Amino acid sequence: NAGVTQTPKFRILKIGQSMTLQCTQDMNHNYMYWYRQDPGMGLKLIYYSVGAGITDKGEVPNGYNVSRSTTEDFPLRLELAAPSQTSVYFCASSSTDFLNTIYFGEGSWLTVV
Amino acid sequence: AQRVTQPEKLLSVFKGAPVELKCNYSYSGSPELFWYVQYSRQRLQLLLRHISRESIKGFTADLNKGETSFHLKKPFAQEEDSAMYYCALREQGAQKLVFGQGTRLTINP
Repeated sequence: NAGVTQTPKFRILKIGQSMTLQCTQDMNHNYMYWYRQDPGMGLKLIYYSVGAGITDKGEVPNGYNVSRSTTEDFPLRLELAAPSQTSVYFCASSSTDFLNTIYFGEGSWLTVV
Repeated sequence: AQRVTQPEKLLSVFKGAPVELKCNYSYSGSPELFWYVQYSRQRLQLLLRHISRESIKGFTADLNKGETSFHLKKPFAQEEDSAMYYCALREQGAQKLVFGQGTRLTINP
């Protein structure tokens, strides 16, 4: 059981470039999330989704886009990368049962230069 | 808006000593509180949640609504407890978590 899988693990982008962080989960979870973690800071929610076809903004959505065409996948797109987007990105998912524990991916380290 | 504060970015204690990681929150409703842990080169994972009232790896945490705190405690620290610890809050009826800044715990031999 792979859980939540993110790719790539590491990436260096030039200012103005675009890229997509991929996230897939095999637990049939309805809820999926993207967080970013800046050095010395907590995790901040970028976008989340409560099911296929439904997405919503979190605390820090500017500069990002998401889509949720399937239950399994929740890609995060960076358009026109900026140095302020240098961060570690975590994808996560959770079910709708009573415990609804959130499970995290391993993280994607992104540097914008 | 809800907010989670972990006042210590770094905490260092000796093996066998008690450890307490502080977490305070601000939320007007009935929150659900969690502690997540990230060991070196591993993904973030749930350590414990307040509604379970459980002890995991010797750690406990009690929700104190009067002081709006959810401090994580362990009576005798072990070297394998060295990790990054995050306190998180879930709003009543919501799914997403709000995280604190995290505390890096180092257990010295």
